[in-house]
Amino acid sequence: EAAVTQSPRNKVTVTGGNVTLSCRQTNSHNYMYWYRQDTGHGLRLIHYSYGAGNLQIGDVPDGYKATRTTQEDFFLLLELASPSQTSLYFCASSDRDNQDTQYFGPGTRLLVL
Amino acid sequence: SQWGEENLQALSIQEGEDVTMNCSYKTYTTVVQWYRQKSGKGPALIILIRSNEREKRSGRLRATLDTSSQSSSLSITGTLATDTAVYFCATDATGYQNFYFGKGTSLTVIP
Repeated sequence: EAAVTQSPRNKVTVTGGNVTLSCRQTNSHNYMYWYRQDTGHGLRLIHYSYGAGNLQIGDVPDGYKATRTTQEDFFLLLELASPSQTSLYFCASSDRDNQDTQYFGPGTRLLVL
Repeated sequence: SQWGEENLQALSIQEGEDVTMNCSYKTYTTVVQWYRQKSGKGPALIILIRSNEREKRSGRLRATLDTSSQSSSLSITGTLATDTAVYFCATDATGYQNFYFGKGTSLTVIP
């Protein structure tokens, strides 16, 4: 069973604050993804990566940066957080040869006041 | 948008009943995935069906795919209270390494 962990699980910040969400996968998967989940919108892709140092833009990238430092670690950065970024954030990973299966982490709930 | 008109649907049924959920999509896809998300957890893949398949079964789950109408369905037979979850379908963006998720169907199975 693939393992994807996220930290923190909950985060509260203020408008304009700086937030980093962390994701680690321990299954040597090539692809990693950051999604946000909001009521009425389902899951929307923010950024993804297919290897260390690689970054691809997703469907809702505005206001977010991401960095893939190693094959295991993928970070999502909100440098000037806004209330519109209050959401539930999920990280996922998938394997090069089996991209069809994405393994999701438990999620990080972010509240921007 | 990859999706047809779709809102988050909510279904409530009694344990033991059968249920079918549908999703429709706008552009060609090579695979449709169905994910289950239980409360407080991340989504987990439960079944996928490829564009060259019309039907796929896994235990109590059955997925269908109609590429001509660009629609897929997920059926669960003999539902259990533990099937209570939100169910999403996802399609691939052909030529890319990511997937589009629908808004989901919230299923409540009453014991």
